[in-house]
Amino acid sequence: GAGVSQSPSNKVTEKGKDVELRCDPISGHTALYWYRQSLGQGLEFLIYFQGNSAPDKSGLPSDRFSAERTGGSVSTLTIQRTQQEDSAVYLCASSLGLSPTGGETQYFGPGTRLLVL
Amino acid sequence: SQQGEEDPQALSIQEGENATMNCSYKTSINNLQWYRQNSGRGLVHLILIRSNEREKHSGRLRVTLDTSKKSSSLLITASRAADTASYFCATSLISSGSARQLTFGSGTQLTVLP
Repeated sequence: GAGVSQSPSNKVTEKGKDVELRCDPISGHTALYWYRQSLGQGLEFLIYFQGNSAPDKSGLPSDRFSAERTGGSVSTLTIQRTQQEDSAVYLCASSLGLSPTGGETQYFGPGTRLLVL
Repeated sequence: SQQGEEDPQALSIQEGENATMNCSYKTSINNLQWYRQNSGRGLVHLILIRSNEREKHSGRLRVTLDTSKKSSSLLITASRAADTASYFCATSLISSGSARQLTFGSGTQLTVLP
């Protein structure tokens, strides 16, 4: 079946512009996660959606970052007034969302490589 | 700070040799997972070991978990050039409350030379 897809694959923008990154999770997965990975680094958690519950936004680095998930499926991560330090690969993942304690296997998309000039 | 820390940061071996990567973490976990990443793109899940398990195998992969030492190791036997990638450990924390995200280490870059 189809995996997690993300668009665009690459995005180059100018400092100060807004960007939107899209994630299509695996069908039937109720949990969706956004991570950020700077060059040569591990993954930094940004935000988590589970079904209709309020999202866990504890990882968002500033109020310039926001995300929504419409209809429990597609998610959009928006970065307003981009800064050069926002340059990174933004990875989306989804999981079944069945485990009450979390820690499920996550299935990752290919990521969006964002470069802010 | 990162919950998981892998070592070594980089490892270079000859094809056919075994590769061992280690991961240490700081707090109690539900489970620990290993992921692989090629060329800075999406991660692929390799194996999950629960906190009450000590060892798990999957093909050429062997994972151990020592909760008393808060550490795990990933062994890749009979390595191939195609195993060249970054390997990350990720932990699911007991204390994370409603959060379900995984906490990733900084990764080990494995290079297998043909």
